[in-house]
Amino acid sequence: AQSVSQHNHHVILSEAASLELGCNYSYGGTVNLFWYVQYPGQHLQLLLKYFSGDPLVKGIKGFEAEFIKSKFSFNLRKPSVQWSDTAEYFCAVNSGGGNKLTFGTGTQLKVEL
Amino acid sequence: DGGITQSPKYLFRKEGQNVTLSCEQNLNHDAMYWYRQDPGQGLRLIYYSQIVNDFQKGDIAEGYSVSREKKESFPLTVTSAQKNPTAFYLCASSMEGTGIYEQYFGPGTRLTVT
Repeated sequence: AQSVSQHNHHVILSEAASLELGCNYSYGGTVNLFWYVQYPGQHLQLLLKYFSGDPLVKGIKGFEAEFIKSKFSFNLRKPSVQWSDTAEYFCAVNSGGGNKLTFGTGTQLKVEL
Repeated sequence: DGGITQSPKYLFRKEGQNVTLSCEQNLNHDAMYWYRQDPGQGLRLIYYSQIVNDFQKGDIAEGYSVSREKKESFPLTVTSAQKNPTAFYLCASSMEGTGIYEQYFGPGTRLTVT
C-alpha cells in the first residue's frame, strides 16, 4: 500500500526565511502528487499539484514543489515566508485506481514576526 | 456560492449512540469522499463514492457506514462499533472518481463522543 512521509512535524521560521518541507512516498510506479494547506479556521485547499511534465511546479502564494522520481520525493519550497503562511501543510499522493489520495501526517508551520 | 457544506460544525454524543454527519455539495461533482483527521496522523480515507448508489470502503471503514442516494449528498454514520469516534471529519468531492482530479474539501465536523 502507498504511504507518504512528512518528516518535519513542526517547523518554526521567522518572516523572510526560506522554507522547505519534505515529502516522500513509497510507491514506485506512476504517481500524481499534491500539496494541500489548511490555514487556521479554514477549509483544506489545494496549494499545487503534479501530474506530468515539468517536475518543478508552481502553486499559489509563491509556493513551488519539485518532483524527484529517483528520490520518491515532492518537497515544497518557498523562498521567503510570511506570517500569513502559518498553517498546516499536507502532502498527498495518488497512485492509480481511481481518485483516492493517501495523505502524509502533515507539517505544522508557524511563522513568527 | 458553490461549495461543500458540512453540518453541524461541532457534534457531541454519548458513547453507544450512532450519529450521522451531513455532507452536501452543489459543485455537480460525481465523486465524494469522507476522511478522518486526527492530530499527528493526517487524513485517512473512510469511504468514497464515485457515482450515485455506489460506494467503496477506504482504509479505515470499520465502524462507519455511508449512503449515496443523491449526487449532492453523502452522509456518514458513525456507529457505536467505532472504537475511537472522537475526531475531525472532513468531506470532499471531485469532478469524477475515475480520473485524477482535485478534491475540494468542506469545513469539517468535529465529533466528540463521551
